[in-house]
Amino acid sequence: NAGVTQTPKFRILKIGQSMTLQCTQDMNHNYMYWYRQDPGMGLKLIYYSVGAGITDKGEVPNGYNVSRSTTEDFPLRLELAAPSQTSVYFCASGVVDTQYFGPGTRLTVL
Amino acid sequence: DQQVKQNSPSLSVQEGRISILNCDYTNSMFDYFLWYKKYPAEGPTFLISISSIKDKNEDGRFTVFLNKSAKHLSLHIVPSQPGDSAVYFCAASAVNDMRFGAGTRLTVKP
Repeated sequence: NAGVTQTPKFRILKIGQSMTLQCTQDMNHNYMYWYRQDPGMGLKLIYYSVGAGITDKGEVPNGYNVSRSTTEDFPLRLELAAPSQTSVYFCASGVVDTQYFGPGTRLTVL
Repeated sequence: DQQVKQNSPSLSVQEGRISILNCDYTNSMFDYFLWYKKYPAEGPTFLISISSIKDKNEDGRFTVFLNKSAKHLSLHIVPSQPGDSAVYFCAASAVNDMRFGAGTRLTVKP
């Protein structure tokens, strides 16, 4: 059981570039989440999904898109990278009272 | 708006003593509360949760107390161990929402 895996671990983007952060879970969870964590702050919910084909916005969705075509995968897309999107991104899966997190992707936009 | 607050950025305790981490919230619609532990360069690790219909939940050395009238929860760690040194986040969930506090850095001294 690998749990929740995220790729890449690190990435540097130029302003205006796009990229996809990958997230995969092997625990057959219906719920999956994307968060960002800025320095000295708590995690903020970007998007979440309650099952394949179903996604919804969290607290800070602007500048991001998601899709959920399978139970296992929940990729996060940045279309036009901006310096404000410099952060650490965490994917999680679980149930309503328990979440398991991936190791994170550290993204820098210059 | 910060709906979940951890007002103590840091806490230091002696090994073997009790650690008490506090968290306050403002939204009475939250129905689950969760505690996570985070080491540097890793994703958060789930510790314990509590439903809003309960006032206490215990799991080994970890106990979470919920005071709904005060909109306050706390995590007790007894006895504290040096390996417990980490940043602890409280989180609150409602339908379509999940909010995190900014975290408390716990240091357990040998």
